Amino acid sequence: AQTVTQSQPEMSVQEAETVTLSCTYDTSESDYYLFWYKQPPSRQMILVIRQEAYKQQNATENRFSVNFQKAAKSFSLKISDSQLGDAAMYFCASDSGGSNYKLTFGKGTLLTVNP
Amino acid sequence: GAGVSQSPRYKVAKRGQDVALRCDPISGHVSLFWYQQALGQGPEFLTYFQNEAQLDKSGLPSDRFFAERPEGSVSTLKIQRTQQEDSAVYLCASSFQAGVLYEQYFGPGTRLTVT
Repeated sequence: AQTVTQSQPEMSVQEAETVTLSCTYDTSESDYYLFWYKQPPSRQMILVIRQEAYKQQNATENRFSVNFQKAAKSFSLKISDSQLGDAAMYFCASDSGGSNYKLTFGKGTLLTVNP
Repeated sequence: GAGVSQSPRYKVAKRGQDVALRCDPISGHVSLFWYQQALGQGPEFLTYFQNEAQLDKSGLPSDRFFAERPEGSVSTLKIQRTQQEDSAVYLCASSFQAGVLYEQYFGPGTRLTVT
């Protein structure tokens, strides 16, 4: 069974500053994907960034980047130049491998951005 | 609209009532997922469809939960004899094809409250 752990229930950052959200995971799969999703108060989950486990290069999407450390099973999200619109719940997730691609989510980190 | 839609957005049921939650995936999307998100938790997988075939229902918590997608498009999640522990947000997601490379697009969810 896969598990995803987010140890920070809440984080806050000043506008324009950088913040890092932590995630660790456990899986028996040899190849897998990891994801960060954003869930604003309206509840619609949005994919922020994803990383394939066999790729050593960390994924980057504009102001969002990850620090993927496979041996440590760590997958943190860095948000640079934080904006008020970044305020949301952030969920780390892994796919199950196999043939159904269901996602296993962590409990989430609530990010507050202070003006 | 072009996104995943769910109805109703809010549902209040008395304990013991049956409820039906509807998901309209993005047109042409083959894969459809249902997740349950309890208050303060991350989403948890319930079931997965590829077209009309229910390929994985390992996450359904009891035989009171039933899902269908008879024509490979709209899906309904039915909960019989609702219990208080069924109170949660039920999220639907769809993806263009089966496969982790295809992003799961989430709907806004249905918040079910069982009184």
